[in-house]
Amino acid sequence: DQQVKQNSPSLSVQEGRISILNCDYTNSMFDYFLWYKKYPAEGPTFLISISSIKDKNEDGRFTVFLNKSAKHLSLHIVPSQPGDSAVYFCAASALRSGGGADGLTFGKGTHLIIQP
Amino acid sequence: KAGVTQTPRYLIKTRGQQVTLSCSPISGHRSVSWYQQTPGQGLQFLFEYFSETQRNKGNFPGRFSGRQFSNSRSEMNVSTLELGDSALYLCASSFAGADGYTFGSGTRLTVV
Repeated sequence: DQQVKQNSPSLSVQEGRISILNCDYTNSMFDYFLWYKKYPAEGPTFLISISSIKDKNEDGRFTVFLNKSAKHLSLHIVPSQPGDSAVYFCAASALRSGGGADGLTFGKGTHLIIQP
Repeated sequence: KAGVTQTPRYLIKTRGQQVTLSCSPISGHRSVSWYQQTPGQGLQFLFEYFSETQRNKGNFPGRFSGRQFSNSRSEMNVSTLELGDSALYLCASSFAGADGYTFGSGTRLTVV
């Protein structure tokens, strides 16, 4: 049973436009969400995170939106650049009251292709 | 600041053998987590160590084990290797285990 789902295996966007990557989750215990970017033969690179007490977090061209009632989050990249072409993973975790968090549960990823 | 270092980068082992992978976290990071990435299952959590103690464990058989040393370096061991253990093994470190995790480049294990 997949607890974190990225339903689009791939997404093609023109350079300069907005890229929107979507992620759904089923486990209501998740309260911390992260997005990672991955190039082939490299480890994932942390992009941005959001905790469940917020509904939006911005960092430069990257914005993550969280809709807790729908158990849905999205990553917006504006404007999209050729270097953004990579696989993007959504991940979720449950924070622990005593510190730390459970291990990250990852989606299967979305391959973003930025076309010139 | 040096990133997360994993050694070796590539490894080929035979079925039935055992293997040990190493991870050196970012200086000051006390949490080290291990993940397995395969084409079919994606990225799956193996276990997390914090201050030399296993704090959390994923759904993997007992053949997969790990440990963390006092300098926060961690090792992962897989015994009695199976063909299905062929994967990219990724290590991630963080200061406390609830902030953004930094991943290493991984160890590509091939079991023949």
